Amino acid sequence: RKEVEQDPGPFNVPEGATVAFNCTYSNSASQSFFWYRQDCRKEPKLLMSVYSSGNEDGRFTAQLNRASQYISLLIRDSKLSDSATYLCVVNGGAGNNRKLIWGLGTSLAVNP
Amino acid sequence: GAGVSQSPRYKVAKRGQDVALRCDPISGHVSLFWYQQALGQGPEFLTYFQNEAQLDKSGLPSDRFFAERPEGSVSTLKIQRTQQEDSAVYLCASSLVGGYNEQFFGPGTRLTVL
Repeated sequence: RKEVEQDPGPFNVPEGATVAFNCTYSNSASQSFFWYRQDCRKEPKLLMSVYSSGNEDGRFTAQLNRASQYISLLIRDSKLSDSATYLCVVNGGAGNNRKLIWGLGTSLAVNP
Repeated sequence: GAGVSQSPRYKVAKRGQDVALRCDPISGHVSLFWYQQALGQGPEFLTYFQNEAQLDKSGLPSDRFFAERPEGSVSTLKIQRTQQEDSAVYLCASSLVGGYNEQFFGPGTRLTVL
């Protein structure tokens, strides 16, 4: 089993749709969780950190479920500009907490 | 702004050549990471520095890969005797403290080995 798993997609949705991505991680000792966004041929950029209590930033909501070891990202009222690859990132856990483990990414295409 | 910079942006090498890729992190960032990203894949961890100390090099695929950060700022990733499978984008990222904070990425170096 890979340490961080994501559905690669692609997810094709119309403008205005709500779309959700899930990501599972294998190391129960992981402490930090992030969603990054990567546009085609560009470098990854932080979208949001994921906190235990869940957090929201405008149209984006992130949730963490430690018991089931997954994190989620919800995008509401999707825009054309949301088209990108969304990368789930988890730190390495106890003894290796400086290392970030990256998922393969989930591709999203928002269509007019 | 003074983000992470990498050079060269593109490098074409003949199989067997040595290459050196440079990363200038954000000033004051303690942690520096190198990643390899193949087309359609997420970044794969190569190595990590805290200041000048290389704390983790478990991701380096072979002994042909070598990284250094002698003064705790600029870092160089060297690949000796390049092979076609080394073709990828090499990303450098820096952060205040690795593993807990946002990582800021450079634009990457796209390496093509012929």
